[in-house]
Amino acid sequence: RKEVEQDPGPFNVPEGATVAFNCTYSNSASQSFFWYRQDCRKEPKLLMSVYSSGNEDGRFTAQLNRASQYISLLIRDSKLSDSATYLCVVNTNDMRFGAGTRLTVKP
Amino acid sequence: GAVVSQHPSRVICKSGTSVKIECRSLDFQATTMFWYRQFPKQSLMLMATSNEGSKATYEQGVEKDKFLINHASLTLSTLTVTSAHPEDSSFYICSAKASGSMPQYFGPGTRLTVL
Repeated sequence: RKEVEQDPGPFNVPEGATVAFNCTYSNSASQSFFWYRQDCRKEPKLLMSVYSSGNEDGRFTAQLNRASQYISLLIRDSKLSDSATYLCVVNTNDMRFGAGTRLTVKP
Repeated sequence: GAVVSQHPSRVICKSGTSVKIECRSLDFQATTMFWYRQFPKQSLMLMATSNEGSKATYEQGVEKDKFLINHASLTLSTLTVTSAHPEDSSFYICSAKASGSMPQYFGPGTRLTVL
């Protein structure tokens, strides 16, 4: 089993849609969690950290369920500029990346 | 967020030459730096993890004698691709982390093309 698994995607949604990504991790000792986005031919950029109580940043909401070892990212009112690959990252002794989920938002 | 620079951004070289890539954390001290490689339409692949002042830890399948990593200070790590071959052509990305549970911040990447 992979250490970090994500929805394979791709997700193709119209502008304005709400889309959710899921991620599971295998190591219960994992300490911190993040979502990154990566645009084509660019480096990954930190989107948001994920806290146990859940956290929101504008249209983005991240949630963590430690019991189920599950992380989610919800994007509301999606924009064309949200098109990217979203990477789930789990920090245990080191950072482990999911393979990423490709999102395309269409007009 | 924190700033990580990477130099050069693009390099084209002949087969058999060595290429050095620098990664710098500009506004924080990076106790750990990571080197990744990414082929087109594929996921990031971790090559090695380095802690300042100690030898890098390489992932399985990554040749340490071919990919030399030096992390001499808390703000600088270098990756040298020795005797590069066309199959080494890839997007190389470094990242840096301050400590503990802090996130990683990525450099802009270096696109290496070996002719």
